[in-house]
Amino acid sequence: EDQVTQSPEALRLQEGESSSLNCSYTVSGLRGLFWYRQDPGKGPEFLFTLYSAGEEKEKERLKATLTKKESFLHITAPKPEDSATYLCAVQKSSGDKLTFGTGTRLAVRP
Amino acid sequence: DSGVTQTPKHLITATGQRVTLRCSPRSGDLSVYWYQQSLDQGLQFLIQYYNGEERAKGNILERFSAQQFPDLHSELNLSSLELGDSALYFCASSAQLAGGRETQYFGPGTRLLVL
Repeated sequence: EDQVTQSPEALRLQEGESSSLNCSYTVSGLRGLFWYRQDPGKGPEFLFTLYSAGEEKEKERLKATLTKKESFLHITAPKPEDSATYLCAVQKSSGDKLTFGTGTRLAVRP
Repeated sequence: DSGVTQTPKHLITATGQRVTLRCSPRSGDLSVYWYQQSLDQGLQFLIQYYNGEERAKGNILERFSAQQFPDLHSELNLSSLELGDSALYFCASSAQLAGGRETQYFGPGTRLLVL
């Protein structure tokens, strides 16, 4: 069965304190790995899609990387507005649906 | 703004009732997905439509049904509602890109509360 596990469940950082979020996955035939940001009560906001091991993508203070078993979302010098839940999802080659992890709740203190 | 719209934003109803949630995909997107997000289950895939046809089904209850209309908007119908159906319901849409790549963009969701 496909599994997506995110860690840690929650993370509290001081403003400017860099860190990484982990997404490990077990899926046969990965087509793509997605990262989303979700604010409370809102819809997930698309951040990145990674398709092959070794691929990296960046957006402002965020950088996503992918290996054959996991993905990391690196947050460099975070600001309070980066506080949100970050969701990881996988998409298989055999279908279009996304299978989500349970997310990492990030809080950045000023 | 993702370009995906959902109505209503909030819905409060009683057990046993039936409700309809509506979704309009981004302009030009042919695929529509429905997901349910509850506190204990996270985001779960319910069903996918592509250009009016059902393409994939997830853990969707028999009490739930959906359809996609010729103008590509979609409706999710929830009937015989139970307390446990209270959740956020999201619609997403996507366009197929070259090489089978795609990105799913999510709407703002409908918060359903069953009392």
